Amino acid sequence: DIVMTQSPDSLAVSLGERATINCKSSQSILHNSNNKNFLAWYQQKLGQPPRLLIYWASTRESGVPDRFSGSGSGTDFTLTISSLQAEDVAVYYCQQYYSTPPTFGQGTKVEIE
Amino acid sequence: EVHLVESGGGLVQPGGSLRLSCAASGFTFSSYWMHWVRQAPGKGLVCVARISTDGSSSGYADSVKGRFTISRDNAKNTLFLQMNSLRAEDTAVYYCAKDHTPGYMDVWGKGTTVTVSS
Repeated sequence: DIVMTQSPDSLAVSLGERATINCKSSQSILHNSNNKNFLAWYQQKLGQPPRLLIYWASTRESGVPDRFSGSGSGTDFTLTISSLQAEDVAVYYCQQYYSTPPTFGQGTKVEIE
Repeated sequence: EVHLVESGGGLVQPGGSLRLSCAASGFTFSSYWMHWVRQAPGKGLVCVARISTDGSSSGYADSVKGRFTISRDNAKNTLFLQMNSLRAEDTAVYYCAKDHTPGYMDVWGKGTTVTVSS
């Protein structure tokens, strides 16, 4: 199975500041057939199910604010929240869908400083 | 609007069984792979089972292989998870999720809680 490792486990950011979350896969998840990275990001607020934010490493899901962006390729990826809002307090997970089973990172908790 | 609604969770003794259901609406259920993803208390997300559009292909996490069975009824737009020989470590919220080919999950239910305890 592909192991997904996120860093940091938690971070506290001031309102309006940038939050950056990293995700590393144990092998490349860039597919030669379409030159796409099989990487998604999810947001999970307390007591709620996960919500898809980003797929193909950098494509925002419909309705997701543009302060959320994804980048990276191969084995190293980043989720950036450009200007943290109070409603962004949540745990964020990366997930690879390059191979089965799909696997998630351990999660990164984002709080307000 | 697309909806997934899980049911069937509860308290069960170790060694017992439960059958979870997930009712789907708002999309063509038979056209999509589906997943069961669980989250133990205070822990992360683990995909425990997935099933193909027609039910002919499925996959399981090693931790549940041989004990859990995923199935679907496309005529009734319903996904199932039969859980046997339950253990304390199976205690979790179980979510069903719609797959957006080729494998990210674009719609999630609210989850159903399974507690395995004597």
